Amino acid sequence: AQTIHQWPVAEIKAVGSPLSLGCTIKGKSSPNLYWYWQATGGTLQQLFYSITVGQVESVVQLNLSASRPKDDQFILSTEKLLLSHSGFYLCAGTGQTFSNERLFFGHGTKLSVL
Amino acid sequence: QQKVQQSPESLSVPEGGMASLNCTSSDRNFQYFWWYRQHSGEGPKALMSIFSDGDKKEGRFTAHLNKASLHVSLHIRDSQPSDSALYFCAATSSGSWQLIFGSGTQLTVMP
Repeated sequence: AQTIHQWPVAEIKAVGSPLSLGCTIKGKSSPNLYWYWQATGGTLQQLFYSITVGQVESVVQLNLSASRPKDDQFILSTEKLLLSHSGFYLCAGTGQTFSNERLFFGHGTKLSVL
Repeated sequence: QQKVQQSPESLSVPEGGMASLNCTSSDRNFQYFWWYRQHSGEGPKALMSIFSDGDKKEGRFTAHLNKASLHVSLHIRDSQPSDSALYFCAATSSGSWQLIFGSGTQLTVMP
């Protein structure tokens, strides 16, 4: 069974400080990986996706960047946090496209920017 | 305008009752629909997919799709308190790397 481990579980950061969030997927070779952002009780907004190591596509511009250094690892980062970055960050993966396979999520990282 | 809209925003049903959730898409390219459920503090989990017109049943959950009206629904029979969660409809088009989520319906099942 595939699992997604996200780290850290929660972060409290100051405006203007840097941020790095990560996830590792197990049980799926060459997965497609995604980052989603969710305001409290709100919808899920797709931020980035990656279908192979070293290649990342941006879906929306939120002053964030992503990288995929290994087949099973996806990193989300920024050099300067904004208040609007607060929320719940979810890493997700699939082995195929959405028309063939469900999206599998990690447990998320709760980010509070003060 | 959000491409996937859900109604109602919140819904309360008694234990053992039927919960009905609705979803409408404004993009005719969307052909593939999913229902996800998210319990508080956790990541969402996929409940079921529906890609063809008509009904699809999985246990207590039944999804219905009408492609002509771009309307999807989810019906939960014999609702349990553990069904209390945030439910999302999600849609995508063929070959797309984007899965678009709706605004969500907060379901509360009262014991």
